[in-house]
Amino acid sequence: SQTIHQWPATLVQPVGSPLSLECTVEGTSNPNLYWYRQAAGRGLQLLFYSVGIGQISSEVPQNLSASRPQDRQFILSSKKLLLSDSGFYLCAWEQGSGGNEQFFGPGTRLTVL
Amino acid sequence: SQKIEQNSEALNIQEGKTATLTCNYTNYSPAYLQWYRQDPGRGPVFLLLIRENEKEKRKERLKVTFDTTLKQSLFHITASQPADSATYLCALWEYGNKLVFGAGTILRVKS
Repeated sequence: SQTIHQWPATLVQPVGSPLSLECTVEGTSNPNLYWYRQAAGRGLQLLFYSVGIGQISSEVPQNLSASRPQDRQFILSSKKLLLSDSGFYLCAWEQGSGGNEQFFGPGTRLTVL
Repeated sequence: SQKIEQNSEALNIQEGKTATLTCNYTNYSPAYLQWYRQDPGRGPVFLLLIRENEKEKRKERLKVTFDTTLKQSLFHITASQPADSATYLCALWEYGNKLVFGAGTILRVKS
């Protein structure tokens, strides 16, 4: 069966510090991968998606970046965090060419102070 | 502008009743519409997908309708239980685009 892992579960970082969130998927190959951010009481905002190794598309210009060094690994990074980067970060995977059900990880709660 | 609207106020119902949640959209032509459940501090969990040429889909106590003329989907939970309490998100997918989520509606089922 397929599983998706995210870590860390929670993170408190000072403004201006770097960030690295990791997401890995098991039990599937060549998935579409997604990074979302969810603010309190808001919907999921798509940040990045990837249809293959090294292929990253950005949906929202910001100080975050993403990389996909392996087929089932997706990393979200920042060189310098802003207060506005606080939120709940979710990784998801999907099989197929789009529009299919997405499977979400447990999420990372990031607080920037 | 494009909008997905779900009831921002929580829906409070009594155990055993049918819960009905609404998802309205503007300036979208979705090919698929999906519903997810999200518990506090957790990632969303997929529940149902309905296509534009389908009027209704059922899964156990869940039923989804999709009216492309009204630009609306209704999500029903029959014989609701306290364990059904959660936030329910609808999401739209148009051909060539990415899945877009609504903000969700909180459902509280009281025993």
